[in-house]
Amino acid sequence: DTEVTQTPKHLVMGMTNKKSLKCEQHMGHRAMYWYKQKAKKPPELMFVYSYEKLSINESVPSRFSPECPNSSLLNLHLHALQPEDSALYLCASSQAAQAWWDLHFGNGTRLTVT
Amino acid sequence: AQSVTQLGSHVSVSEGALVLLRCNYSSSVPPYLFWYVQYPNQGLQLLLKYTSAATLVKGINGFEAEFKKSETSFHLTKPSAHMSDAAEYFCAVTGLSGGGADGLTFGKGTHLIIQP
Repeated sequence: DTEVTQTPKHLVMGMTNKKSLKCEQHMGHRAMYWYKQKAKKPPELMFVYSYEKLSINESVPSRFSPECPNSSLLNLHLHALQPEDSALYLCASSQAAQAWWDLHFGNGTRLTVT
Repeated sequence: AQSVTQLGSHVSVSEGALVLLRCNYSSSVPPYLFWYVQYPNQGLQLLLKYTSAATLVKGINGFEAEFKKSETSFHLTKPSAHMSDAAEYFCAVTGLSGGGADGLTFGKGTHLIIQP
């Protein structure tokens, strides 16, 4: 079982909907990450939070809005998405920020935009 | 700057045969290197990592990889393939120093198929 929990596992939403993805970890990690993975492609970094502050935004469109309410929780708010945003969204955490050698991934949320 | 090249988007081996997945890297600083496995509809699981200690790294599920600086390679091997090894495998690199300023760079992935 993964130590990073993502909910929901699957999500189908229309282009006018507003939805949120949730990620939770209880390992005491202080950095959390969102990745987007299209089918048959490697993951692409979207955001990095360090000590609950946004430290990296990889030029992600504003229809994706991250939020880190506390050190254990990471949300990704979705609004006015496009069909090409359909992908697997992966959350990860690490002990320290940008500790790329220590990433722990969740199982992802499979998002379909109709 | 850093990059990873995985040779072969698909590799097919028979059950019980040797598994060899190839990874070559480029990095302007000493690298950390990783192999991740991704089963269908799951996240990434770390198989093994090289962090400048022993050049032969043993990981989970019987996999190992050898760091060869002269060849800039980090190939993944397993002596005997099992049906449960069928998955997508990603090689990744990050710079050893500076907290990985260039982030974690993934290869395009290799789909491993196990023939019964």
